[in-house]
Amino acid sequence: AQSVTQLDSQVPVFEEAPVELRCNYSSSVSVYLFWYVQYPNQGLQLLLKYLSGSTLVKGINGFEAEFNKSQTSFHLRKPSVHISDTAEYFCAVSSTGGFKTIFGAGTRLFVKA
Amino acid sequence: GAGVSQSPSNKVTEKGKDVELRCDPISGHTALYWYRQRLGQGLEFLIYFQGNSAPDKSGLPSDRFSAERTGESVSTLTIQRTQQEDSAVYLCASSLRSAGGPGDTQYFGPGTRLTVL
Repeated sequence: AQSVTQLDSQVPVFEEAPVELRCNYSSSVSVYLFWYVQYPNQGLQLLLKYLSGSTLVKGINGFEAEFNKSQTSFHLRKPSVHISDTAEYFCAVSSTGGFKTIFGAGTRLFVKA
Repeated sequence: GAGVSQSPSNKVTEKGKDVELRCDPISGHTALYWYRQRLGQGLEFLIYFQGNSAPDKSGLPSDRFSAERTGESVSTLTIQRTQQEDSAVYLCASSLRSAGGPGDTQYFGPGTRLTVL
């Protein structure tokens, strides 16, 4: 079975500052990793995903994440945030042999002017 | 093209009543998921449909919950004898089950907010 822990429930940050949203997972098998974003009053959409290959994954809107197998982490980063990045971000994991996706509790990113 | 749609967007019901939630997946998507999101919590997997295969119902919390899907089209999630703890946003997602399998991107609907009084 897999589990996902998002270490911060809320992250306030000023516009143009860098941000890191932390995600740790637990699994006894190989995994795929995802970050989804939910903008206010909108549905969830995929930000980026790691399936295999390079451990640094680039997604939409300037976000990137790095898969660290030894630390079982998949932290999301952006070097300079915008007001429009204010949203809830969900980390998720699924085993490579299955379909069930386990989501973290989410991190609410507040970008302040 | 059209995304995943869900109806109703909001549903308020009294404890003990039955409710039916609807999901229209993206055309051509063979996989369909239902999730529940309680306030301040992450998404909780409920059920998964893939084509004509038997659904995986392992996430359904009780026998009051059931779901159906006809072929690769509309799905309905039914909650019988609703309880206050059923209050949540119910999300539906679909994916094009490619050779990549579990790594497929899920496309989410806007959700149905259920409130049980």
